Amino acid sequence: ETGVTQTPRHLVMGMTNKKSLKCEQHLGHNAMYWYKQSAKKPLELMFVYSLEERVENNSVPSRFSPECPNSSHLFLHLHTLQPEDSALYLCASSQDTAGWGQETQYFGPGTRLLVL
Amino acid sequence: GENVEQHPSTLSVQEGDSAVIKCTYSDSASNYFPWYKQELGKGPQLIIDIRSNVGEKKDQRIAVTLNKTAKHFSLHITETQPEDSAVYFCAATRAGGTSYGKLTFGQGTILTVHP
Repeated sequence: ETGVTQTPRHLVMGMTNKKSLKCEQHLGHNAMYWYKQSAKKPLELMFVYSLEERVENNSVPSRFSPECPNSSHLFLHLHTLQPEDSALYLCASSQDTAGWGQETQYFGPGTRLLVL
Repeated sequence: GENVEQHPSTLSVQEGDSAVIKCTYSDSASNYFPWYKQELGKGPQLIIDIRSNVGEKKDQRIAVTLNKTAKHFSLHITETQPEDSAVYFCAATRAGGTSYGKLTFGQGTILTVHP
């Protein structure tokens, strides 16, 4: 176990549904990340939060909406998704986003999302 | 931005053999290079990392080497075991700057170790 948990582990949703993914880290870290992992593609960074402030939005469509209420929790709200959004969504955390020696990222197990 | 190329995409070895996975990066300012192992149904797990102030790092059967001049780094696994079978990812970033922890990942290598 890496100390990063994600729920649900699997999710099937229709294109008109609204759902949320949850991530929680028990490592006392200050930074949290959302990644998308699709087949045959490298991991794609979606969002970065540092001390609950969004510091990176990597050109992600507005149908993905992140929320970071505190440094231990991160949500990804989903609405009107497309079938091509089907992927493994990974959450990660690190001690900090910058600073030598503090940037090591620890990943959760991911949520496998299928959009029908 | 940074671009990371990883080779090979698949690697098949016999148990006990060595395995080598190579990555090249484009941004000479990158200074932190982690390697992750991802098993089926799990998230990537950090197995070893190296910073630009060293050329080699070893942890039991795994080692990583870094050539800053050529901008490439490699993962070496010796005495491979079936449980080493997984997807391995390299990554690069410029730690300590304004990169906001933006790791750039390689495409991944599927390693299969045959008993």
